[in-house]
Amino acid sequence: ETGVTQTPRHLVMGMTNKKSLKCEQHLGHNAMYWYKQSAKKPLELMFVYNFKEQTENNSVPSRFSPECPNSSHLFLHLHTLQPEDSALYLCASSQDLQGSYGYTFGSGTRLTVV
Amino acid sequence: AQSVTQLGSHVSVSEGALVLLRCNYSSSVPPYLFWYVQYPNQGLQLLLKYTSAATLVKGINGFEAEFKKSETSFHLTKPSAHMSDAAEYFCAVTYTGRRALTFGSGTRLQVQP
Repeated sequence: ETGVTQTPRHLVMGMTNKKSLKCEQHLGHNAMYWYKQSAKKPLELMFVYNFKEQTENNSVPSRFSPECPNSSHLFLHLHTLQPEDSALYLCASSQDLQGSYGYTFGSGTRLTVV
Repeated sequence: AQSVTQLGSHVSVSEGALVLLRCNYSSSVPPYLFWYVQYPNQGLQLLLKYTSAATLVKGINGFEAEFKKSETSFHLTKPSAHMSDAAEYFCAVTYTGRRALTFGSGTRLQVQP
């Protein structure tokens, strides 16, 4: 148990589908993050939330829509995705926004767009 | 801009040999530095962190790293590699006032029997 839980672990979706990824932490952390990890590419920061307010949107296409209803939950809503969006999506949380204590990561959602 | 560079995208060692994974950072302010490990289809797990206390940091699974300000380095070492150490390793940095960690591109460690 890492302290950060992501569901589902695997997701296959068509390009016209709408789906959501869920991330949950009960570590008392204030900041939460979405990262995209594609094969042979560095980790890409997508979104940052601090005390449930979005503080960073790293030029992510609008087909990805984040939601943070409270400090413990983070969602990533997906619609009309492209095959190149297939990747491992990682959620992380940290005590402070700058991550000075490090992040705790979830196990990720392996997304395949067909 | 602050950044972190990992030298060598792939490193191969024999079981029982020394592991050395290199990480250099660029910084105009004191950094917080981290090493993470990732096994296939898993998230990243924190190995160790430097937060301006001791310059030699010990982590889990027998790994350690030394912060060298003069060389702007934070290399990861382990005296004797195990087969179970085969994974991808990421160096990361942050600073006061930053909004997120910056990760290196990763080094894949292969351990030969």
